This record gives sequence, C-alpha cells and structure tokens, in this order.
Amino acid sequence: AQRVTQPEKLLSVFKGAPVELKCNYSYSGSPELFWYVQYSRQRLQLLLRHISRESIKGFTADLNKGETSFHLKKPFAQEEDSAMYYCALSTLFLMNRDDKIIFGKGTRLHILP
Amino acid sequence: DTGVSQNPRHKITKRGQNVTFRCDPISEHNRLYWYRQTLGQGPEFLTYFQNEAQLEKSRLLSDRFSAERPKGSFSTLEIQRTEQGDSAMYLCASSLVGGIDRYYGYTFGSGTRLTVV
Repeated sequence: AQRVTQPEKLLSVFKGAPVELKCNYSYSGSPELFWYVQYSRQRLQLLLRHISRESIKGFTADLNKGETSFHLKKPFAQEEDSAMYYCALSTLFLMNRDDKIIFGKGTRLHILP
Repeated sequence: DTGVSQNPRHKITKRGQNVTFRCDPISEHNRLYWYRQTLGQGPEFLTYFQNEAQLEKSRLLSDRFSAERPKGSFSTLEIQRTEQGDSAMYLCASSLVGGIDRYYGYTFGSGTRLTVV
C-alpha cells in the first residue's frame, strides 16, 4: 500500500538550531518524493522535489531508499520557517495514468525566538 | 494572480442541499486534480483529469460526488445531498505533465472551505 508517514505532529525548535522533519514512505514502485509547505493563511506550495536535488530556503532533503525515508533538514532555523510541512509521494511514472500525490498528515514546525 | 483559482472561498450549506465548486487551473496545465483536506489530515486525493477526460477516481468519491471538466479548462465539483461528514477544505491543483522534465509538480489553489450544518 502507498503510504507516507510523518511521525511528529508538532516540532518546536529554537531559532538558529538545526531542524529535521521526519518522513517515511511505503511504495512498491519508483517513488518521487516532495515536500510541500503551507504558511499561515497561504495556499499549499511546493518546497522541493527529490529529483531536483536542490536547496530551497536553506532546506534540503535526501531520498534514502534503503530506509525509505525523505527527511527534511535545515542547519539553522529561522522564525519565518514556522509553517505546516507535508511530505508527499507521487505515483506518476512515465506519463502513466496513475497520477496522484499521497500526502502525509503533516508536521507543524514552530520556531521559538 | 495567474495561479489556480477556486470559487467560492467559503460555503456554508444545510445538510441535504447540493453544492458546486469551481476551479480554474493554470491555463498551460494539462492535468487538474481535486483533493479534500479535513482537520489534522493531509490532503486526500479525490480525482483527476487529463484535459477533459477524468482518468481516475478515489474510493472517497462516493456517488454523491461528481466532477467535470467539460472543455479541458475549468472544472466543477458537485456534491449532492450534502452530509455533515462532507465538511472539509476542497483543494484543486493543476500540473503540466510531459516533456523532458516529465513532472513539474502541482500548483494548488487556495481551496473552498465547505461547512455542512
């Protein structure tokens, strides 16, 4: 079964401290993983994709197929990072018809001053 | 704002009434998706369209739910005989699938919050 698990509902971190939001997935195919973010009163938006191997707003995430994990990390938290973060898995493969994103339940990141 | 637009932003309806939501995707995007989000949960897939063709429907989409995308542009989601359990945020997203970078990710709208009383 396709599933995304985010074990923490809430994560509180002091400003300047490192951040790690955990994500584990279950999928038999070749997964594409994403992190989406939702700031207060804003729409859900894409933060980063694993295939891009990019760093957005200081965040990075590495896909670990052995551990089926895609944890989101940032070395130094900033107050503007406070938001809801969703890990997500795409079933899309080679333009096939099975195209959906499966989201985790989300982790609320609260940066303490 | 040339992003994904959803109307209305909020809808309060009495149980048993029918409601219809509209989504206008990004014009160049060929796929359109509907998701539902309840409190404390991530968005859950309902259905998606490739142009005007509805290619997949979730088991969450009961017979009371119907979605259309008649001209491959905007889409409507109708809920008939609403129930209190239908209260949720209904999200629309669009994407462009194809080309060298075969997947560009979803762009979400702000959602329509439905409250059934």
